[in-house]
Amino acid sequence: AQKITQTQPGMFVQEKEAVTLDCTYDTSDPSYGLFWYKQPSSGEMIFLIYQGSYDQQNATEGRYSLNFQKARKSANLVISASQLGDSAMYFCAMRALNAGNMLTFGGGTRLMVKP
Amino acid sequence: NAGVTQTPKFRILKIGQSMTLQCTQDMNHNYMYWYRQDPGMGLKLIYYSVGAGITDKGEVPNGYNVSRSTTEDFPLRLELAAPSQTSVYFCASSLQGESTDTQYFGPGTRLTVL
Repeated sequence: AQKITQTQPGMFVQEKEAVTLDCTYDTSDPSYGLFWYKQPSSGEMIFLIYQGSYDQQNATEGRYSLNFQKARKSANLVISASQLGDSAMYFCAMRALNAGNMLTFGGGTRLMVKP
Repeated sequence: NAGVTQTPKFRILKIGQSMTLQCTQDMNHNYMYWYRQDPGMGLKLIYYSVGAGITDKGEVPNGYNVSRSTTEDFPLRLELAAPSQTSVYFCASSLQGESTDTQYFGPGTRLTVL
């Protein structure tokens, strides 16, 4: 079975600083994808960034980057230059071939950006 | 760009009532999914579909039914609503079911069962 763990229920960060949100995963499948979603207070799920298990380089999308450490089974999200609009819940998720490619979510981290 | 749309946005049901949550996508995606999100938790998969006429159970299917008669629509049916089904329901779609495929989510339906 696959599992996603986010150990930080809540975090504060000062505006304009960088922040790292932790995510560890467990799967025996060699082929999998890792995703981060943002859920603002309005409730929608917004896709942020994707990392494939065979990708050699860490994924980047604008101010978002994914620190992928395959041997440690971690896929931390790094947000650079935090903005007030980054305040939201952040979910790490994984899809793996041996789990029918179904998306499994972690419990989320609530990020609060201080002005 | 519509993407994935869901109706209604909010609904209050009495115990034992039934209702259908609607989901439509206009991206010609093959795969569609229903998730529920309980307060302070991540999402859990209820049902999914790999194409018209094909559906399968996810992690928490009890108390729900689905159908997929067209590529675009994937309604979720609640029979005999129970307070435990109070949750936010998200519909999602992806082009294929590969591990590399991104799922795109609708805005959600907030359901309360009293």
